[in-house]
Amino acid sequence: DTAVSQTPKYLVTQMGNDKSIKCEQNLGHDTMYWYKQDSKKFLKIMFSYNNKELIINETVPNRFSPKSPDKAHLNLHINSLELGDSAVYFCASSQDHPGSRSTGNTIYFGEGSWLTVV
Amino acid sequence: EDQVTQSPEALRLQEGESSSLNCSYTVSGLRGLFWYRQDPGKGPEFLFTLYSAGEEKEKERLKATLTKKESFLHITAPKPEDSATYLCAVRVKDRGSTLGRLYFGRGTQLTVWP
Repeated sequence: DTAVSQTPKYLVTQMGNDKSIKCEQNLGHDTMYWYKQDSKKFLKIMFSYNNKELIINETVPNRFSPKSPDKAHLNLHINSLELGDSAVYFCASSQDHPGSRSTGNTIYFGEGSWLTVV
Repeated sequence: EDQVTQSPEALRLQEGESSSLNCSYTVSGLRGLFWYRQDPGKGPEFLFTLYSAGEEKEKERLKATLTKKESFLHITAPKPEDSATYLCAVRVKDRGSTLGRLYFGRGTQLTVWP
């Protein structure tokens, strides 16, 4: 009964391919995220969705496209993969209400997806 | 420029040797400071949330404290199983949206040897 689950855990693919990483949360949260962790272990936000609506879109290449079919799912599709895309991608979720004063709620992370582009 | 700075980058302790990890931040509109533990090959695991200066939280051998500019994670009598990377993150009000944005530090890699 993993709270935030993402698949696949490991993905090795060639440059130029298109791949997707799927994420599901069973916590009943309304906000989901994608984070990228580089080789130096630095975690940086890529996207944030609240109730299926894109809220945060950091400066990432257009080749990265998130899709949220419902509140419990946030998938990440990557087109034309490049060597520099190799990293660990973490899905996360939290319970937040836009406009509310209490937007400091805890963010829970999945186990990560290790992407290697060769 | 990093808005969250953690020190030291790496810390080696002998079992039972207490110490502290530091997290300093330069953000305004703080909506929470979070400590996470990350084991190799795993996602960050939530430890504590602190919201206001003076607040303290404890869990087993860990104690987190918060001031207006920094937070400390105190580890008392650590054991080898406490070895991990400890991440600090601050959630701030985001100008572009009403959701808070989470900024991470680069972590402190703690190794506790028997």
